[in-house]
Amino acid sequence: EPEVTQTPSHQVTQMGQEVILRCVPISNHLYFYWYRQILGQKVEFLVSFYNNEISEKSEIFDDQFSVERPDGSNFTLKIRSTKLEDSAMYFCASRGSGSSDNEQFFGPGTRLTVL
Amino acid sequence: AQSVTQPDIHITVSEGASLELRCNYSYGATPYLFWYVQSPGQGLQLLLKYFSGDTLVQGIKGFEAEFKRSQSSFNLRKPSVHWSDAAEYFCAVGYTGGFKTIFGAGTRLFVKA
Repeated sequence: EPEVTQTPSHQVTQMGQEVILRCVPISNHLYFYWYRQILGQKVEFLVSFYNNEISEKSEIFDDQFSVERPDGSNFTLKIRSTKLEDSAMYFCASRGSGSSDNEQFFGPGTRLTVL
Repeated sequence: AQSVTQPDIHITVSEGASLELRCNYSYGATPYLFWYVQSPGQGLQLLLKYFSGDTLVQGIKGFEAEFKRSQSSFNLRKPSVHWSDAAEYFCAVGYTGGFKTIFGAGTRLFVKA
């Protein structure tokens, strides 16, 4: 069964460093998402991406964040200058193209630790 | 505003007892509804989903949920809980034509012997 994959599973970085989190969505999906879950809290929407542009973003997704689909298979989330409060689990998700299909398939997550 | 409410932060049930986790949503039309389970340090596993049709949906691991439009609810149930069901449960809502899923705050389930 096709699945969303994410790398790395765990990333440790120093405050102020740039990180790139990578995701490979399901191959025929057209909608892509990033979510964040701070330890012990709920899953929060960050951004959605369709047709090579951002469709919607939350207030969390400020200028420090960016997304890209560099090569038609990967979908990346970049944090330019990490802060301690960016420590969280980051989930990628993708969705098919059907108009009635609103199920998002989630990846296993990348745990980001900012020291 | 779109929102999902899970009024119980945590619930403790005895193994073998029945379970009901509550979820209410706020939206003007029929949403897409999901329940996910998350074990500590793990990802999200989809238990079940409701898009349309029969309002009682069956999921994996013996879970079911019922959509009640009049109450804007989508409660999760299981007739007999197993110790391995101990985890965090998230109700989530997707919106027609929307680009995101809104998650509730979660309910942590504890199972006692």
